Amino acid sequence: DSGVTQTPKHLITATGQRVTLRCSPRSGDLSVYWYQQSLDQGLQFLIQYYNGEERAKGNILERFSAQQFPDLHSELNLSSLELGDSALYFCASSAGGSRGYEQYFGPGTRLTVT
Amino acid sequence: GNSVTQMEGPVTLSEEAFLTINCTYTATGYPSLFWYVQYPGEGLQLLLKATKADDKGSNKGFEATYRKETTSFHLEKGSVQVSDSAVYFCALSLTGANNLFFGTGTRLTVIP
Repeated sequence: DSGVTQTPKHLITATGQRVTLRCSPRSGDLSVYWYQQSLDQGLQFLIQYYNGEERAKGNILERFSAQQFPDLHSELNLSSLELGDSALYFCASSAGGSRGYEQYFGPGTRLTVT
Repeated sequence: GNSVTQMEGPVTLSEEAFLTINCTYTATGYPSLFWYVQYPGEGLQLLLKATKADDKGSNKGFEATYRKETTSFHLEKGSVQVSDSAVYFCALSLTGANNLFFGTGTRLTVIP
């Protein structure tokens, strides 16, 4: 158990809909990262937050957005969903700074868009 | 740009066989290198890491050495077990930029 939790575990929704994925980092970790794992694109970095602020952006679509709240949990919002958004979405956390940058991954949320 | 190239899978080995999974990288700076493992139905777990040239990461019998001259970080294990069956990902992160760049993953199946 990495200490990173993600909810829900599975999500099935229709095209055009909007969903929110939630992530709670390990206790004390300030950084949260979101990754997408799909069969055709592999594992891709989407976005990173550090202590509530956006730190880095990867291949994140404009239809997707994220935020990190004062209690350090993070949410990834996916809107106007398309079939191609079906994937596993992972959250990872790291302490940052002098405590290190190793990333610990949650179990993922499997999103199926029908 | 920054990228990781992994040996194509899948790889099938008999128990107690020697394992090598090749990984090479391209990076614009001085990367840290990682191997992650994903067991069926689970998230990724950090297996080992190396942060500078000639460092050797090791864990659970797996080893990988950071070779700057060949830009490689090959994963090895002397004697695999059925429980090692999983997908293995090589990854890098750059100093000052913490997101990970992953390879495509290599599926390993160990048969008794």
